[in-house]
Amino acid sequence: DAGVTQSPTHLIKTRGQQVTLRCSPISGHKSVSWYQQVLGQGPQFIFQYYEKEERGRGNFPDRFSARQFPNYSSELNVNALLLGDSALYLCASSWGRVGNSPLHFGNGTRLTVT
Amino acid sequence: QQQVKQSPQSLIVQKGGISIINCAYENTAFDYFPWYQQFPGKGPALLIAIRPDVSEKKEGRFTISFNKSAKQFSLHIMDSQPGDSATYFCAALGGGADGLTFGKGTHLIIQP
Repeated sequence: DAGVTQSPTHLIKTRGQQVTLRCSPISGHKSVSWYQQVLGQGPQFIFQYYEKEERGRGNFPDRFSARQFPNYSSELNVNALLLGDSALYLCASSWGRVGNSPLHFGNGTRLTVT
Repeated sequence: QQQVKQSPQSLIVQKGGISIINCAYENTAFDYFPWYQQFPGKGPALLIAIRPDVSEKKEGRFTISFNKSAKQFSLHIMDSQPGDSATYFCAALGGGADGLTFGKGTHLIIQP
């Protein structure tokens, strides 16, 4: 069975640009969450989507936005990139709400902002 | 504000020994405590999880011990193997939050 797939695997952007990251959940999973992992730190929660609706948002600025499509895939958008946005962006899926079902992470998109 | 404090930051254990990683939390509304294992270049993978109604949970060589009154929980890896060398994260969920709160991670090295 395919796990959570994310694209692209690596990305280099310039300050001020915009970026879109993509995620396909495990088949049958209806919830997608996004996390930011800065080098040497634990992942930080950005968004959770369940059944195509935003169910939770972490402490991130409005430059970060996301959406979930009818096929349960998801996109994370970051506008006006800052150097501090350089990180590994992780997508995770679960069949239900977080806590009721285990989270399965993808291998992430490594974003470098120069 | 760090809601989940993890220690030690790094740990070296001999093959066959017991690896112990500790976490402490502040939010008493947390009610789900998973541990994740992460290898370089990979996403975190769920190892084992516990809820506050039990004090211990064991799955193979991995055991979570949970102390609700002390607001602490720990991961024990028995008979540690070189393949267990990875970064381990504790996490917590609850209080109406929709996302996991992770600790800062422990870099574990098992020496052959």
